[in-house]
Amino acid sequence: TQLLEQSPQFLSIQEGENLTVYCNSSSVFSSLQWYRQEPGEGPVLLVTVVTGGEVKKLKRLTFQFGDARKDSSLHITAAQPGDTGLYLCAGFYDKVIFGPGTSLSVIP
Amino acid sequence: DAGVIQSPRHEVTEMGQEVTLRCKPISGHDYLFWYRQTMMRGLELLIYFNNNVPIDDSGMPEDRFSAKMPNASFSTLKIQPSEPRDSAVYFCASSFGGSDNTEAFFGQGTRLTVV
Repeated sequence: TQLLEQSPQFLSIQEGENLTVYCNSSSVFSSLQWYRQEPGEGPVLLVTVVTGGEVKKLKRLTFQFGDARKDSSLHITAAQPGDTGLYLCAGFYDKVIFGPGTSLSVIP
Repeated sequence: DAGVIQSPRHEVTEMGQEVTLRCKPISGHDYLFWYRQTMMRGLELLIYFNNNVPIDDSGMPEDRFSAKMPNASFSTLKIQPSEPRDSAVYFCASSFGGSDNTEAFFGQGTRLTVV
């Protein structure tokens, strides 16, 4: 049983479109992290959200932590081919756990 | 800093052989993690060390897997004997501190294929 669920599993969109991916859990987390993993590379941290309801922006990426601290979303505006990759959310339970990821492909 | 360095990048071995994966963490980091990534199971934490001491190895799949950290700048993950189901990408990561919002820095991974 996955403590962290992510949706959608796969997403293929055209350059310039907007998209939202989700990270959900039945457990409360003190914080959630989002990582991006490019093919052939290790994951790289994008952001950490720690307060329920918190919204953080990183250029065209907007991250939100749910009020109950059980879910998070990542919204990308005007997606670009460089956004292609696997987006992983991670939370600390008794140790760090990762969700299964959303594989995003942005087609030029 | 060169980041977390893993070797080899790719390893192909025959079933039954011993495999050793190596990791050099970022200097000054006190936590080191070994992960395994597969399509079926995603990114799984195998074991982590704090100040060279293994803290939690509950993710190690079975006794065929072992990990050591003889000093602050080197760790190994060994599989003996290897099996085809061990085929995966193995990542090493390090961090300064182990709290829930600490950033983990990952290496480029070792892609292991057991035939």
